[in-house]
Amino acid sequence: SQTIHQWPATLVQPVGSPLSLECTVEGTSNPNLYWYRQAAGRGLQLLFYSVGIGQISSEVPQNLSASRPQDRQFILSSKKLLLSDSGFYLCAWSGPSGYQETQYFGPGTRLLVL
Amino acid sequence: SQELEQSPQSLIVQEGKNLTINCTSSKTLYGLYWYKQKYGEGLIFLMMLQKGGEEKSHEKITAKLDEKKQQSSLHITASQPSHAGIYLCGADMLNNTDKLIFGTGTRLQVFP
Repeated sequence: SQTIHQWPATLVQPVGSPLSLECTVEGTSNPNLYWYRQAAGRGLQLLFYSVGIGQISSEVPQNLSASRPQDRQFILSSKKLLLSDSGFYLCAWSGPSGYQETQYFGPGTRLLVL
Repeated sequence: SQELEQSPQSLIVQEGKNLTINCTSSKTLYGLYWYKQKYGEGLIFLMMLQKGGEEKSHEKITAKLDEKKQQSSLHITASQPSHAGIYLCGADMLNNTDKLIFGTGTRLQVFP
C-alpha cells in the first residue's frame, strides 16, 4: 500500500532563516506530487505541483521554491523565511495520470516563523 | 471571492443528531472530493463524486453531487464524537485534477 511521509512535524524558525521541508511517498511510481499551504481561516492553497523528476509548476508567486530530486521525493524550500510563511504545509500525491485521480495527503508540517 | 463556498463554517451538534454540510460552486465541478481533517493533522480522503446525481456512502456519511454538478452535500447520520473535525471539499473545476480548489472548511464539534 502507498504511504506518504512528511517531516518535520513541527518547526519553529526565525525570520530570515532558510527552510527545507521534505515529503516522500512509498508504494507507488511516478506519482504527481503537490505542496499545499493551509493558513488559519483559509482553505488549502496549492503552492507547487510536479508531474515528474525536475518538473515543477508554481501556482502562486511567493518566497518559496520546490524541487523533486527523486521520483518519490518532494522538497519545499526557502532561502529566507518571512513571518507570512507561517502555516500548515501539506504534501499530497496522486496517480500519474492526474485526471480524475484522488489526491492523498501527508500528515503535514506546522511551521511557525517568529 | 471564494470559488468554492462551504457552509456552515462551524457546526456544533449533540451526539446522535444528523447534520449536513454544503459545498457550492458557480462553475461545473468535474470531480468533487470530500476530506476530513483532525486539528493539526493531514487530510483523510472520504469520497469522490464525478457524475451529476451521484451519491456515495461510507458508514454513516453520505455525499451527493447535484445534477448540475455545482453543489455537493455531505450528510452525517447519528453523529458521534469521532465525527468531529474539519471537513473540506475539494473540486476539479478545470477538468484537470492536477489542480484542486478547496473550500475553507467546516469545523464540526459533536458533544455528548
